[in-house]
Amino acid sequence: DSGVTQTPKHLITATGQRVTLRCSPRSGDLSVYWYQQSLDQGLQFLIQYYNGEERAKGNILERFSAQQFPDLHSELNLSSLELGDSALYFCASSAHDGGYTFGSGTRLTVV
Amino acid sequence: QQQVKQSPQSLIVQKGGISIINCAYENTAFDYFPWYQQFPGKGPALLIAIRPDVSEKKEGRFTISFNKSAKQFSLHIMDSQPGDSATYFCAATLVQGAQKLVFGQGTRLTINP
Repeated sequence: DSGVTQTPKHLITATGQRVTLRCSPRSGDLSVYWYQQSLDQGLQFLIQYYNGEERAKGNILERFSAQQFPDLHSELNLSSLELGDSALYFCASSAHDGGYTFGSGTRLTVV
Repeated sequence: QQQVKQSPQSLIVQKGGISIINCAYENTAFDYFPWYQQFPGKGPALLIAIRPDVSEKKEGRFTISFNKSAKQFSLHIMDSQPGDSATYFCAATLVQGAQKLVFGQGTRLTINP
């Protein structure tokens, strides 16, 4: 167990639908990062939150949004889903000294 | 300037051999260079990391070599084992301010028994 918890582990949904992915960071970590990994692809940075505030944005579609709550857990919202959104979505958290830790991911399948 | 380039894309090594994966970065402000190991369907797991004030770090069979002037770093896996077969990602970041990790494209390593 890495200490970063992601739910659900698997999600199957239809095109056009909306889903919410959840991430609980490692205890004490203030930063949460979301990454997307398509089949046989690298890790694409989506967005980062630090202590509730958006810190950095990467290649995140306008149909996607995220937030970090006062208890530091984060949610990634994906709407108007398309087949191409099928991927593994990873959350990571970090401490001030660099220790970036990844969760086990949510596998999203859009049918 | 944020890119990290990783090579090769795939690598096949015989059991007991040395696996070498290379990365190059552009941003000289980066101060933390980790390597992650990922098995199919799993999240990336930190394998080993280095800061730019040292040229080499070794942990068991895994060694990072770091060349600051060339802006390159590499992962060496000694005595490679079939259980090392996985995808390896190098990354770089600026730790101050909790910056995001910038990843290389990944190397799929296969160790033949």
